[in-house]
Amino acid sequence: RKEVEQDPGPFNVPEGATVAFNCTYSNSASQSFFWYRQDCRKEPKLLMSVYSSGNEDGRFTAQLNRASQYISLLIRDSKLSDSATYLCVVNGAQSGNTGKLIFGQGTTLQVKP
Amino acid sequence: NAGVTQTPKFQVLKTGQSMTLQCAQDMNHNSMYWYRQDPGMGLRLIYYSASEGTTDKGEVPNGYNVSRLNKREFSLRLESAAPSQTSVYFCASSEFLAGATYNEQFFGPGTRLTVL
Repeated sequence: RKEVEQDPGPFNVPEGATVAFNCTYSNSASQSFFWYRQDCRKEPKLLMSVYSSGNEDGRFTAQLNRASQYISLLIRDSKLSDSATYLCVVNGAQSGNTGKLIFGQGTTLQVKP
Repeated sequence: NAGVTQTPKFQVLKTGQSMTLQCAQDMNHNSMYWYRQDPGMGLRLIYYSASEGTTDKGEVPNGYNVSRLNKREFSLRLESAAPSQTSVYFCASSEFLAGATYNEQFFGPGTRLTVL
């Protein structure tokens, strides 16, 4: 079983739609959670961290469920520019002294006009 | 402020050739990382350096060596390239300190390597 699992998609949605991505992680000791965005043939960039209480940044909302080891990302009012791959990222097992991150394979979003 | 830079951007090698991928960061970060990204596999950690003078293996270290030349630079060497090493290689850095839980990593633009 992969340490971080995501549905690869692609998710094809019309502009203005609301879309949600889910991610599960296997290590219950993980302490840091992130969503990164990766545009085609570009490097990953941090989209937002995920906090236990849930957090929002404009049209983006991230949620964490530690009991179910589940992370979600909700995008409201999708824009064409949201088309990208979204990577779910968790700090790795026993990584307290190393900073290692574990990346999911990513979920691809295509927003259509 | 260039962030994380990588050279070269593209490279084609023949099986058995060697090469070094260069990475430098100007953010005064302690930690640096090398990843490879393959379709359907996500990013996998090859080697990392938690601080200047230290290096450790990641998930897929076989066939690679690294050097943390100084705080800014972290190079990845392929001694005898194989077709299985065809991939996109990303270098990353972070202001990570031992014992911390938060670790935002900043990535370079990547090197696209093909081994024939």
